[in-house]
Parts: sequence; C-alpha cells; structure tokens
Amino acid sequence: AQSVTQLGSHVSVSEGALVLLRCNYSSSVPPYLFWYVQYPNQGLQLLLKYTTGATLVKGINGFEAEFKKSETSFHLTKPSAHMSDAAEYFCAVTLSGSARQLTFGSGTQLTVLP
Amino acid sequence: KAGVTQTPRYLIKTRGQQVTLSCSPISGHRSVSWYQQTPGQGLQFLFEYFSETQRNKGNFPGRFSGRQFSNSRSEMNVSTLELGDSALYLCASSLAGGLGTGELFFGEGSRLTVL
Repeated sequence: AQSVTQLGSHVSVSEGALVLLRCNYSSSVPPYLFWYVQYPNQGLQLLLKYTTGATLVKGINGFEAEFKKSETSFHLTKPSAHMSDAAEYFCAVTLSGSARQLTFGSGTQLTVLP
Repeated sequence: KAGVTQTPRYLIKTRGQQVTLSCSPISGHRSVSWYQQTPGQGLQFLFEYFSETQRNKGNFPGRFSGRQFSNSRSEMNVSTLELGDSALYLCASSLAGGLGTGELFFGEGSRLTVL
C-alpha cells in the first residue's frame, strides 16, 4: 500500500519569497508522484509529475519538484512566490503500472502575503 | 478542447434521498475516476471505470455506485444519503488504456449538501 504525508497544512510566504511545500511518501514499489493545485471552487490541476528518469521535474507556473528516493520525498518548490500562487496544493502517489487510483496527501494551503 | 464537465455543480438533498451525479470526460478519454473530497477525510478514491467496466474501487459502502456508458460518460449514484455524504465529488478523466502515468484531468466537481 502507498501513502503520502504533507508536512504543514498551512504555509505562508511573502510575495517574491521561496515556496517550499513538503511531501513524503511511502510505497513498497517504485511510485509515480504528482503535485496538483486546487483553486477555490475548482477542480484539481496537475502541476507536475514524476514517473521515471530525471529526478528533478519541472512543471507549470515555475514550480519544480525533486524525487529523492533515499529520503522518500518529493518536495515542491518555486523560487519566487506570486500572489496568484495562493491555493491548496496536493501531493499524490500511485503505484507504477496501476490503474488510475491516486492516493492524495491531506493538502497544504499556501497563503502569499503582499 | 472541452474539459471534464460535471453536472450539477451544486445540489441539496435530505437524508434518505438518493442522488445521481454526471460526468462527461474529455473527448477521447476512456477512463473516468471519481473522488470524494471532504474537510475531514480529504480526497478519497471512489472508483474508476474504463470501457464501461469498473476497474478499481475504493473503500466506500455499497450505497456508492457508478457506471460508465459507451460514450465514456459516467454517472455515480449515492443512495440513502447520510449527513456525512456532504462533500465535493470530483470526476477525473484520462486517456487510460492499461498501464500509464496516471495523469488525471479533473472537473470542477459537484458539491452535495445533505440536510
């Protein structure tokens, strides 16, 4: 079975500051990992994903994440926060080769302060 | 290209009633998944359909059911509604086929309130 832990249910950063959202996973087999973003009253939008290959993954809106197998982590970063980044972020895992069943973390609400 | 469309967006029901939610996937997508989102439990997988067959099911009671039609549109039904069923129900579609990278495209959800 797989699971995801997101450290910090709420994170606040100043506009222009580094964004770091933490995600650790547990999986008995090589996982596929994802970050999704959810804006108020909307569905989820894929930011980026790791399946195989390069461990540093670049996504949309300037976000990137690094898969670290030794640390079982997949933290999301962005060098400079923008007001429009305020949203809830979800880390998710699925077993490689599985059907479309994602296990989501509990989410991190990002607030960007002016 | 139209995205995933869910109807209705909002609905209010009373305990004991049943509800049917509809999802139209992105054109060409054959897999449809359903997730329940609540403040307490977060995002939980309900079930996934591919080519009219349920391929996977989450840990929900039998009151929760679904189906997929030949045009890939999907419906989910919840019978004998309970207060705890109040949630945002999200539908997601993907190209699918057998194994894949799991990239899902989500609709905006149907927000169900049970009184």
